[in-house]
Amino acid sequence: GNSVTQMEGPVTLSEEAFLTINCTYTATGYPSLFWYVQYPGEGLQLLLKATKADDKGSNKGFEATYRKETTSFHLEKGSVQVSDSAVYFCALSPGTGGFKTIFGAGTRLFVKA
Amino acid sequence: DVKVTQSSRYLVKRTGEKVFLECVQDMDHENMFWYRQDPGLGLRLIYFSYDVKMKEKGDIPEGYSVSREKKERFSLILESASTNQTSMYLCASSPPERSVYEQYFGPGTRLTVT
Repeated sequence: GNSVTQMEGPVTLSEEAFLTINCTYTATGYPSLFWYVQYPGEGLQLLLKATKADDKGSNKGFEATYRKETTSFHLEKGSVQVSDSAVYFCALSPGTGGFKTIFGAGTRLFVKA
Repeated sequence: DVKVTQSSRYLVKRTGEKVFLECVQDMDHENMFWYRQDPGLGLRLIYFSYDVKMKEKGDIPEGYSVSREKKERFSLILESASTNQTSMYLCASSPPERSVYEQYFGPGTRLTVT
């Protein structure tokens, strides 16, 4: 079946540090991959997405590349800010025949000033 | 911008009460979803709907039912609330593109059952 595994948190970084949150997936076919972010007290919002292998999604300084050979979609940011403190969810949507999104467990990020 | 609204941000109910959680989206999306979010478990799908009056069970439907009488509105019903239903409930909607199902979320309802 389809599944998403992401690194456990919390992740604590100092401002301007480099961020990597690992995400790997299991899926049949050609899924679309997503990163969602949830700021304190809010619902999830889409951060970036990639719909096919080797695509790079990017937004607000965050990037992730769809790697089919390693079934990975790691989230990176070169220099984090305190305002990036949130919970990050990796997710996949099956390419065909279904529209249920599978979410990872979420990784909480704390950024210290 | 897509807007998904939920009827309450915080709700406190007693065990055995019937609870209604309402969700409304303004983008004419066919698909709507109800999730619950619990620490360490991520998001778990309770029910989803792909059209008016159509519904499908998700991964944890027990103790819940849903109603979709109008395209923009998707209601989650707890028939007899129990303490193990204390959780954050998130509603989402998505357009019907075949290969990319980006979801738009409401702000969530934090339900406490005492």
